[in-house]
Amino acid sequence: GAVVSQHPSWVICKSGTSVKIECRSLDFQATTMFWYRQFPKQSLMLMATSNEGSKATYEQGVEKDKFLINHASLTLSTLTVTSAHPEDSSFYICSARDMVTGGLNGYTFGSGTRLTVV
Amino acid sequence: AQTVTQSQPEMSVQEAETVTLSCTYDTSESNYYLFWYKQPPSRQMILVIRQEAYKQQNATENRFSVNFQKAAKSFSLKISDSQLGDTAMYFCAFMKIGTNAGKSTFGDGTTLTVKP
Repeated sequence: GAVVSQHPSWVICKSGTSVKIECRSLDFQATTMFWYRQFPKQSLMLMATSNEGSKATYEQGVEKDKFLINHASLTLSTLTVTSAHPEDSSFYICSARDMVTGGLNGYTFGSGTRLTVV
Repeated sequence: AQTVTQSQPEMSVQEAETVTLSCTYDTSESNYYLFWYKQPPSRQMILVIRQEAYKQQNATENRFSVNFQKAAKSFSLKISDSQLGDTAMYFCAFMKIGTNAGKSTFGDGTTLTVKP
């Protein structure tokens, strides 16, 4: 079945530094990937939609200069949290939309990244 | 804009029993898909079942089935013969198809605990 690899699974960084999270579709091509943020026992909050070869579309209230998204190929999207602060600590999840099925079989999710900023 | 409502924050069920999780949604779209995803303690999101809005027949996947009432905008998930491994947070999700398709709208989730 479709697999999305997300790395790292957890990261601890110092306040003020940047962290890059990778989301890679392993056995399918994804023209669109989505980045979510999830707080404990809460729902997924969509942060941005990443489209291959074009600029990401950010949801209202999400700082695009803080959460940089790059989707340089059909199998890789990255989220960089710049100048991280403790309030950025959260669980980040990506999902990928299969170019062939268009997501009609449901999206495949990465395993998530737990970011802790100290 | 679409909204998805899961009115049961937490539920519990005895092993081998049946449980139903509720989901209602609001949309003006006619062409869409509905999904149930499971998020176990590992936090890996897993697709449980999907339903095409144009299909009247309710989807089933082994022990999982849905009751899709399009007019009422209701999409409940029934889990039969509950197993300990079903313990997870369950999310109902709406996805528009067609023009500008793709983004899913998720409910707030229902935490299900299966008790031995």
